[in-house]
Amino acid sequence: KNEVEQSPQNLTAQEGEFITINCSYSVGISALHWLQQHPGGGIVSLFMLSSGKKKHGRLIATINIQEKHSSLHITASHPRDSAVYICAVRLRNTDKLIFGTGTRLQVFP
Amino acid sequence: NAGVMQNPRHLVRRRGQEARLRCSPMKGHSHVYWYRQLPEEGLKFMVYLQKENIIDESGMPKERFSAEFPKEGPSILRIQQVVRGDSAAYFCASSPNFPRDSGNTIYFGEGSWLTVV
Repeated sequence: KNEVEQSPQNLTAQEGEFITINCSYSVGISALHWLQQHPGGGIVSLFMLSSGKKKHGRLIATINIQEKHSSLHITASHPRDSAVYICAVRLRNTDKLIFGTGTRLQVFP
Repeated sequence: NAGVMQNPRHLVRRRGQEARLRCSPMKGHSHVYWYRQLPEEGLKFMVYLQKENIIDESGMPKERFSAEFPKEGPSILRIQQVVRGDSAAYFCASSPNFPRDSGNTIYFGEGSWLTVV
């Protein structure tokens, strides 16, 4: 079993839909990152969380430390949101990141 | 705003050749990380370096792979005698100091795509 599990693996949506991507982890962490990767492209850090909730534009990320679970929400989705979204956790007392395998999102107009 | 710069973006090597991938961290960042993304797989940690010092190389293959981050110049990931299985995207990231101490996020480069033919 992977230490970081994401669901779903693939997600398709119509433009305007509300999207939720989930991340569960089984290790002690000091922080959790949500990353975005476009096909053939680089990786952009969307959020870094250690507790609670953060919002940036149409993106919202939450984390529940007790339940070892985080969600990434996209409101009013748009085709340009189509990308792979990756959850990564930083192990407690290290600087190492462990990555989920990603959620491939396609938003159709 | 110069982010993390990686070059080359794309590199083709024949089996047995050497590949050198370079990473210039963001200005003011002294910590560099290398990650590998094999086709259809997630990112995997390879090595974490501070200037002139390897902090953690637990993700590096035991043979043919080496990394350095000299006092001057970019960090280099070197793969000797490349094989087809080395074909992957190699991402570099940087942070200003130890993330666990400061809670800093890390910044990723655009990646270097290595193809071994």
